Parts: sequence; C-alpha cells; structure tokens
Amino acid sequence: DQQVKQNSPSLSVQEGRISILNCDYTNSMFDYFLWYKKYPAEGPTFLISISSIKDKNEDGRFTVFLNKSAKHLSLHIVPSQPGDSAVYFCAASEGPGKLIFGQGTTLQVKP
Amino acid sequence: EAGVAQSPRYKIIEKRQSVAFWCNPISGHATLYWYQQILGQGPKLLIQFQNNGVVDDSQLPKDRFSAERLKGVDSTLKIQPAKLEDSAVYLCASSLRIDEKLFFGSGTQLSVL
Repeated sequence: DQQVKQNSPSLSVQEGRISILNCDYTNSMFDYFLWYKKYPAEGPTFLISISSIKDKNEDGRFTVFLNKSAKHLSLHIVPSQPGDSAVYFCAASEGPGKLIFGQGTTLQVKP
Repeated sequence: EAGVAQSPRYKIIEKRQSVAFWCNPISGHATLYWYQQILGQGPKLLIQFQNNGVVDDSQLPKDRFSAERLKGVDSTLKIQPAKLEDSAVYLCASSLRIDEKLFFGSGTQLSVL
C-alpha cells in the first residue's frame, strides 16, 4: 500500500523546454513534501521542499506546486538542461525525519 | 564539508551468509538513518538514530537485521542471514537535527545470490 506514488517511471524532454514531474499521495496528514534528485552511483540530494500550508515554492529553475485537495504535487523545471537528467524522488514527511518516498521518475533531457 | 561516507561500495554474497555495512555521518549530525532501496522503488526507512539511541526501527526486520550507532557517530548495519530479497542499495543518511533535511551517502549495493 503505497502512500506516495509517482506514476510516470520516465520522462523525456528537449533542452530548454519545461519538465513536469508529478506525485500523488494518499495521507492527508502529511505536512511537508520534498523532492530529491539522484544521479547514478550517488545518493539522493535534496532539491526543494514545500510545507502543506503553501501551494507553491520556487527556487531558481525549480518550482514545486502543491494541490492539497487533489493530494497532488508537481515539480516544474524551466528551462530544462541536460545536467538535470537524473532520477527524481518525491517524498512526504509523516513526522520529524520520517520520509516516505515515491518510486522515482527518470528524467532525460535531450540536447 | 565532507559528506556521508559509506563502505563497502559493492558487496556480493550468497544467501544465508552475513554482511555488514558501515556509515560515517557528516560531523556534528545528531540524526542518522539507514534506508533500503530495492530496484525500481524509492528508499524505505529501516532505522533512525538520534545520537546513539534508536528513534524508530519499526520497519527493520529484526529477525535478521541489526544496527548500532556507537558513541553517537559511526553506525553499522548487519544482515544475518541474508535472503535473496535483501538485494538492494543500502543508503545511510544524516541530518543536523531530527527535523532538518537529510544528506545521503552514495550507498552500498548488495547482491545476494
């Protein structure tokens, strides 16, 4: 029973275009959401987060949107760059330090 | 700033054998985590330490897995005996405090044959 789901295993976009990665969750008690990025042979690295009291958080080219009524969040990358090619994990916090991760979406940005 | 160090990088063992993984967190980080990432899935929390005390080990298969964090710094995760389904990447992470963001190591890739 997966509480955090990333239904698209992979996404391919052209350099310079927008990448949109999606994530759905089932537990309305989650109060904090994060996105992590993972390159091959490396551990995940923190990218951006959002509190449940907000609906948008922006950091440079990365924006996370939260739709609590739909229990859905998305990560927008604009413009996409080849260096953004990685696996992106959505995670939800169910308590201090307790993260539940989605399955990941592999993003490929083509030059 | 040095990151989270893990060793070994890779390990191949036969089922029913034992294996141990080591983690050295970022200096000063009080909270340490072990995650298991099976191929095609996201990381799953196995155990969480605050200094040298266990905060949460509800997902740790305690009949075969054990972990310790001596002196609140380094940690080891042991599997004894290993099963085929234990094949995964074992990730160690640390955070300054329990509610701060996690920094992950590169992981240990375990293959159980």
